[in-house]
Amino acid sequence: GENVEQHPSTLSVQEGDSAVIKCTYSDSASNYFPWYKQELGKRPQLIIDIRSNVGEKKDQRIAVTLNKTAKHFSLHITETQPEDSAVYFCAASNGNTNAGKSTFGDGTTLTVKP
Amino acid sequence: NAGVTQTPKFRVLKTGQSMTLLCAQDMNHEYMYWYRQDPGMGLRLIHYSVGEGTTAKGEVPDGYNVSRLKKQNFLLGLESAAPSQTSVYFCASSFGGPISTDTQYFGPGTRLTVL
Repeated sequence: GENVEQHPSTLSVQEGDSAVIKCTYSDSASNYFPWYKQELGKRPQLIIDIRSNVGEKKDQRIAVTLNKTAKHFSLHITETQPEDSAVYFCAASNGNTNAGKSTFGDGTTLTVKP
Repeated sequence: NAGVTQTPKFRVLKTGQSMTLLCAQDMNHEYMYWYRQDPGMGLRLIHYSVGEGTTAKGEVPDGYNVSRLKKQNFLLGLESAAPSQTSVYFCASSFGGPISTDTQYFGPGTRLTVL
């Protein structure tokens, strides 16, 4: 089955700096890669996603890049703010054959220091 | 539109007791999932369902059972609770079907403690 590894497990940055979280996946058939943000005590919520036919996607201060050849994808947050502090999860799935099941990384705890 | 809801929000059980967690969604989603979240281990899939009346095992199904009698509801049962089942349980749903986007919408979670 699919295996997703996420790094780093913790990340601390100064407000205004950029943050990068990286994930690798094992199943070359995976074609959908969402990122979820989970604030303390809350539910995970989708912040951005990318499909395998796209190399990069951007939404204001966040962007995701995908390298299908190397089987890795990354989340980039620019101009970080204290409200960006949360746990971020990457995931990979194959919507065509896998009942929409996502395999999640173990999460990255991002702390933005004011 | 309430999205995905879960009942109860908190529960404390003694070892050996049983309970059922209820998940409900009002988005007409085909697919529903149950996860457990433990510190440092991300989200692990327990069971899932691709439609009313169907269920399948996920990554960590032992000790749990599920039922999907109605499209909008997905129940998770613990027949004989063990301390190792202390966790936060999240339900999720997605559109599924031939126009699947795979985006999962999560419920608020149930914090379960087994003593």
